[in-house]
Amino acid sequence: GAVVSQHPSRVICKSGTSVKIECRSLDFQATTMFWYRQFPKQSLMLMATSNEGSKATYEQGVEKDKFLINHASLTLSTLTVTSAHPEDSSFYICSAQGLAKNYEQYFGPGTRLTVT
Amino acid sequence: AQKVTQAQTEISVVEKEDVTLDCVYETRDTTYYLFWYKQPPSGELVFLIRRNSFDEQNEISGRYSWNFQKSTSSFNFTITASQVVDSAVYFCALSDPYNTDKLIFGTGTRLQVFP
Repeated sequence: GAVVSQHPSRVICKSGTSVKIECRSLDFQATTMFWYRQFPKQSLMLMATSNEGSKATYEQGVEKDKFLINHASLTLSTLTVTSAHPEDSSFYICSAQGLAKNYEQYFGPGTRLTVT
Repeated sequence: AQKVTQAQTEISVVEKEDVTLDCVYETRDTTYYLFWYKQPPSGELVFLIRRNSFDEQNEISGRYSWNFQKSTSSFNFTITASQVVDSAVYFCALSDPYNTDKLIFGTGTRLQVFP
């Protein structure tokens, strides 16, 4: 069964609003979580890496003020897209990694964000 | 620079055919990991395999097999006797040398298996 969940699976929001996406590891403690973005028919691009209790490390070109990441517990990380614009519409995927899962990355089912 | 190339954008086969998905990588590091993931229409990536750069043994898991050749920097994936449920996008990935947790993905190959 699934070991990583994401909520919501789909969200539509208006331009200028903020959207929060949750990523949960279901049966293990995830010391590290990753956030990816996938454009239609394209590859996954890593946006940021977050370790529990510390600030996220963002990849080059990713605006940290726009994509706020919080990893407050060993089972939950959140990505908040602030002041969303249509170009932020995408498929956002998280993955989680921890000792109990041999540090393999397990991916969530993804969240499709549409900004109108 | 690290790079993963999956030259096949889409492949269509009929059930029971064998199919090979190609993956060629570039890295300056001597220690790295290679991965294959499956992304079905539902969107969730499913881990298939991780291979250490020092282990060139081919691997077989049921109908799946992987051929790792460092000499050609390739890590190809073969599905034997394909089934409709194999229809998905398959991604090959390479670990970043400075951070093995960071994965560099190829552009993916969409496999369609027709009944």
